[in-house]
Amino acid sequence: IVMTQSPATLSVSPGERATLSCRSSQTISTNLAWYQQKPGQGPRLLIYGAVARATGVPARFSGSGSGTEFTLTISSLQSEDFAVYYCQEYNNWPPYTFGQGTRLEIK
Amino acid sequence: EVQLVESGGALVQPGTSLRLTCEASGFTFDDHAMNWFRLIPGKGLEWVSGINWNSGNIAYVDSVKGRFTISRDNAKNSLYLQMNSLRVEDTALYLCAKGLYSMTTLTAFDSWGRGTLVTVSS
Repeated sequence: IVMTQSPATLSVSPGERATLSCRSSQTISTNLAWYQQKPGQGPRLLIYGAVARATGVPARFSGSGSGTEFTLTISSLQSEDFAVYYCQEYNNWPPYTFGQGTRLEIK
Repeated sequence: EVQLVESGGALVQPGTSLRLTCEASGFTFDDHAMNWFRLIPGKGLEWVSGINWNSGNIAYVDSVKGRFTISRDNAKNSLYLQMNSLRVEDTALYLCAKGLYSMTTLTAFDSWGRGTLVTVSS
């Protein structure tokens, strides 16, 4: 399975909405997760099952989609949200496959 | 609180070996599959290897098959990655992660360590 994220870089102003996309080359039902990665830290799980927020994740993060098309939306960007975001499929193992990442930067 | 702490990374020459360790706490270790991932600057996250709860199901990414060996010691709450015949392209930050769901390999990962850096260079 190949996971393709778009865009590679997204420039957004604080307070605005960010929409990140992830596409799988095969249908994966809702077996998709989203992670936030910051320098010096391990990835943080944001969304699993395509739509479920992980424990402690703010409500401004939401996931949608099923099959092959998925979206992560951040409704009102805060300064701490600027990071790299990865999608990951877990429909089959092995392997687990990640998208190449979207860098969310301050506009 | 779940904690995962990796160790064992170093600067080594091509062809040599390293053993990485991931020490786990704060959860029932032998209920969960465990996995190694690596983060390569400019390339992103890559799954490296995984092992189910009782070591009965093990898998590797193709690029490390025959060179890396994953293992776990449930009595010590520890996960290991023996890395042999290291290559320049194995240079990365290696991270271990705990599956969100217990007793399955089909899972997202809700807890990650900070990683240990492996640099392979002559």
